[in-house]
Amino acid sequence: EAGVTQFPSHSVIEKGQTVTLRCDPISGHDNLYWYRRVMGKEIKFLLHFVKESKQDESGMPNNRFLAERTGGTYSTLKVQPAELEDSGVYFCASSQDGYQETQYFGPGTRLLVL
Amino acid sequence: DQQVKQNSPSLSVQEGRISILNCDYTNSMFDYFLWYKKYPAEGPTFLISISSIKDKNEDGRFTVFLNKSAKHLSLHIVPSQPGDSAVYFCAASDYEGGADGLTFGKGTHLIIQP
Repeated sequence: EAGVTQFPSHSVIEKGQTVTLRCDPISGHDNLYWYRRVMGKEIKFLLHFVKESKQDESGMPNNRFLAERTGGTYSTLKVQPAELEDSGVYFCASSQDGYQETQYFGPGTRLLVL
Repeated sequence: DQQVKQNSPSLSVQEGRISILNCDYTNSMFDYFLWYKKYPAEGPTFLISISSIKDKNEDGRFTVFLNKSAKHLSLHIVPSQPGDSAVYFCAASDYEGGADGLTFGKGTHLIIQP
């Protein structure tokens, strides 16, 4: 069974540009999470989808970030316009039953904003 | 304001000896705790968890201890093996079985020396 996949693995953009990150969860997983780790800091929760609905978006830093999960399958996280402080690793995780132990993480997208 | 703290950025342990990774938390609402292991270029993977009704949980070479009054938990790995070299994240949640996003610490880089 394929794990959580994320695309791209790396992205380098200039300040002010737009970047869209994609996450494909494990097939059949209704719960999808986005997390971010800024260099040297903790992994921070951004938001949680249940199917196509945003269950909790309390961790989204500001309105430059937009997450979608149309059809309840893959999800995208768009940053527009990107700022220097947005650099970090963006992790996606998915879970079938919502239990913490069963949040399977993807390899992350490394975003560098110059 | 960090709610989960891992104050040791790195830890070096000789192969065969015990590795002890520490984690402190400040939020009294946290009721369920997890440890994740992360290799470079991969996402975190679940290792072991403990509920606040317990003070110890063991799984093979891995044991997690919880001192709720001190808001402190630790992960013991014995004996340490070269494959244990990774970054270990402590994470917390409000309750066991919840689907909410996790609150992570900054991680401790464990290096097992031959």
